[in-house]
Amino acid sequence: GAVVSQHPSWVICKSGTSVKIECRSLDFQATTMFWYRQFPKQSLMLMATSNEGSKATYEQGVEKDKFLINHASLTLSTLTVTSAHPEDSSFYICSATQTSQYEQYFGPGTRLTVT
Amino acid sequence: ELKVEQNPLFLSMQEGKNYTIYCNYSTTSDRLYWYRQDPGKSLESLFVLLSNGAVKQEGRLMASLDTKARLSTLHITAAVHDLSATYFCAVDMEWRLNRDDKIIFGKGTRLHILP
Repeated sequence: GAVVSQHPSWVICKSGTSVKIECRSLDFQATTMFWYRQFPKQSLMLMATSNEGSKATYEQGVEKDKFLINHASLTLSTLTVTSAHPEDSSFYICSATQTSQYEQYFGPGTRLTVT
Repeated sequence: ELKVEQNPLFLSMQEGKNYTIYCNYSTTSDRLYWYRQDPGKSLESLFVLLSNGAVKQEGRLMASLDTKARLSTLHITAAVHDLSATYFCAVDMEWRLNRDDKIIFGKGTRLHILP
């Protein structure tokens, strides 16, 4: 149980284009989902927290207009990187928590390369 | 500022040896996580420690938590090559406030076990 999937697992896009990453909880309802970014050989940095049906809460320094997060249902959250640039190339990982639970279940990650 | 500090950040050790990774955190919390990450992969949950004095063991890994000292340890016994990975500790900082259970990650310990 408690499986989280991400799609795509990797994506290459050109500068200036937008790319959408999906995060799904497969066997539970996720009231809260988290989006992290990880650069090579670094730790995970929380980008934003999203609750179903409400606006995401972004961490300091994360541009909300650039990283659009939508948590439209209890099983799906999306992260859209708008007008991507090479510096946005990173490993993006989502996680989800079940209702009234605390433990985060992590997705397999999406590797984004912007050329 | 909330901080989670791990040390060492890099550890190279021989198979068969024992070693300990330390995780210090700067604020009150009694919920701490240990994760493993293999290159190019997402996080694998190892341990969840929920109370002062908690000790959990799985195979050659044992984790403990001292909330008074704000310290957790991950002890490796008789290391084998398969344990080579990056290990992260993470602390849940805000659950007491009934807010989203954000977790703050340490920088990770890159463990390289020489055969």
